[in-house]
Order: sequence, then C-alpha cells, then structure tokens
Amino acid sequence: AQTVTQSQPEMSVQEAETVTLSCTYDTSESDYYLFWYKQPPSRQMILVIRQEAYKQQNATENRFSVNFQKAAKSFSLKISDSQLGDAAMYFCAYRSALGGSEKLVFGKGTKLTVNP
Amino acid sequence: DVKVTQSSRYLVKRTGEKVFLECVQDMDHENMFWYRQDPGLGLRLIYFSYDVKMKEKGDIPEGYSVSREKKERFSLILESASTNQTSMYLCASRGPGTGVVEQYFGPGTRLTVT
Repeated sequence: AQTVTQSQPEMSVQEAETVTLSCTYDTSESDYYLFWYKQPPSRQMILVIRQEAYKQQNATENRFSVNFQKAAKSFSLKISDSQLGDAAMYFCAYRSALGGSEKLVFGKGTKLTVNP
Repeated sequence: DVKVTQSSRYLVKRTGEKVFLECVQDMDHENMFWYRQDPGLGLRLIYFSYDVKMKEKGDIPEGYSVSREKKERFSLILESASTNQTSMYLCASRGPGTGVVEQYFGPGTRLTVT
C-alpha cells in the first residue's frame, strides 16, 4: 500500500520569505498523481498544486511551486514571498493512476505559521 | 464554482445515538468521499461512492455506514455513536476522469460524542 510522509509537523516562516515543505511517498507504481492541499483555520480545504508523475517539469502556480524528484519519491512544496494568508495546514496527497483507483492517500500534514 | 456543503458545522451527540452526517454537491460529480480528520493522523478515508447506490469501504469503515440514494447527496451514518468517533468529518466530491482531477471538500462537521 502507498504511504505519504510529511516529516515536519510544524514550520514557521517570516512574511515575504520563502519556505519549503517536504513530502515523501512510497509506491511501486510508475504512474500516479501528487497533490498539495491547503486547509486554512476553520476553512475549507482547497487544492494548491498538482503534478502528474510522467511529467518531468515541476508544476508552478503563482507563488507556489513543487520540486518533484521521482527517483527519490519526493514532492516538496515551495512557497515564495510568504503571506499571512498562507498560514494553514498543508497536506500532501497521492493517487494511483491505475484504472478505477479513486482513493487519495494523505500525509499527516504540516502546520505552517507565517510571522509578520 | 463547485460547492460541497455539509449539514452541520458542529454536532454534539450522546453515546449510543444514531448520527447522520449529510453532504451535498452541486456539480453532478460521480465520486463522493467521507474522510475523518484527527490531529497527527491526517485524513483517513472512511467510505467512498462512485455512483448512486454504489459504495466502497475505505481504510477505516468500522462503525460507519453510508447511503447514496441521489447523485448529489452522500450520507455518513454512525449506527451507534461512541466517544472514539469524536472527530472532524470531511466530505469531498470529484468529477469523472482518471487524470489529475482534484477533489473538492466541504467545510467539515466537528462531531463530539459524549
């Protein structure tokens, strides 16, 4: 079974600085999808960024980018120019690309604090 | 915008009560999910449904059941609530396709069983 590990339960960053959240996963599959979700305090979880394993190019969404290292099974999230609104729980998630696979496997999350 | 709503934000029930958590999505999604979120454990899948009246067990189905009579609505049922079911429950839905399709989440129901 696939597993997702987020080794940093908590992180903090100064406003306007850059922070990287780590995520590693374990799988024997070659094709899969990876996601980062953000859950602000008392608000709905939303998708931040997604990556298809067969694409070598790292995904980017505005200030958010990933460093996808397939051989190392690593999928870290970089937040540039951190803002107070980035404070949230961040979850890394994996989904198999096998047909009929619907399940997302989540890591335990990283709580990000942004200091003014 | 996709909207996923849950019937209650906060719920307090007594041990042994039958509890219904309702989830509704407005995007005609085939796939719907129920997760449980606990501190330090992340999100764990309880059940999911890929069509009306179809369901599959997730990782922690014990003590729960589900119902999906209509495409837009997915209910989680605690047949006899216990204190270890005190948790945050998140509903999600996802459209068709096997690609890098995102799940959309509801706001969550924080259930306390006393």
